[in-house]
Amino acid sequence: QVQLQESGPGLVKPSETLSLTCTVSGGSMSGHYWSWIRQPPGKGLEWIGYIYYTGSTKYNPSLNSRVTISIDTSKNQFYLKVNSVTAADTAVYYCARRNWGVLGGGLDSWGQGTLVTASS
Amino acid sequence: QSALTQPPSASGSPGQSVTISCTGTSSDFGGYNYVSWYQQYPGKAPKLIIYEVTRRPSGVPDRFSGSKSGNTASLTVSGLQTEDEADYYCNSYPGGNTPGVFGGGTKLTVL
Repeated sequence: QVQLQESGPGLVKPSETLSLTCTVSGGSMSGHYWSWIRQPPGKGLEWIGYIYYTGSTKYNPSLNSRVTISIDTSKNQFYLKVNSVTAADTAVYYCARRNWGVLGGGLDSWGQGTLVTASS
Repeated sequence: QSALTQPPSASGSPGQSVTISCTGTSSDFGGYNYVSWYQQYPGKAPKLIIYEVTRRPSGVPDRFSGSKSGNTASLTVSGLQTEDEADYYCNSYPGGNTPGVFGGGTKLTVL
């Protein structure tokens, strides 16, 4: 059973860059799509984007200009950067595996989530 | 892409059935059957309970079922149990340049 774990600073100053790492264990990154989703406190889920193990990406158009997702399969990690953060970027950030091969694109494995607060 | 529309809340008594709707436009679903549903308990990560509109991952009880008609997908929970009390989110894959669209979420209360 693959496991995912988010890591990174819990506090980011407005206008700075949010950076998170997701470490994958218990399985290979090959053949899968690796996703970032966020959830503002008390609100619903929002797609950030995902990356294929080869490096191709797809981003939420509403965040596209500020977001970069990258991957390092040799380290079993993928990454999220969000530039120019504001208070609206305060959320629990989840990494997840999107399983197109067997589960029709369902997000079948999730990290526990990490709260990132944008505040001075 | 705006969020798919779900009722904010739903409720039922133990043993009853409840259906949660998820409404979008034809472009939200993109002509695909890539609708999934997630169950989320407070403070926990979501869990996949339905994929490809009607399919259940291994280990998900058959009390959970999905369907889709036109631009509305639905999740039905039959034989409600107290542990079904949670938030439920639908998700679609429209294709094109977007990774997906979530619904706003429905809080299910088991009375």
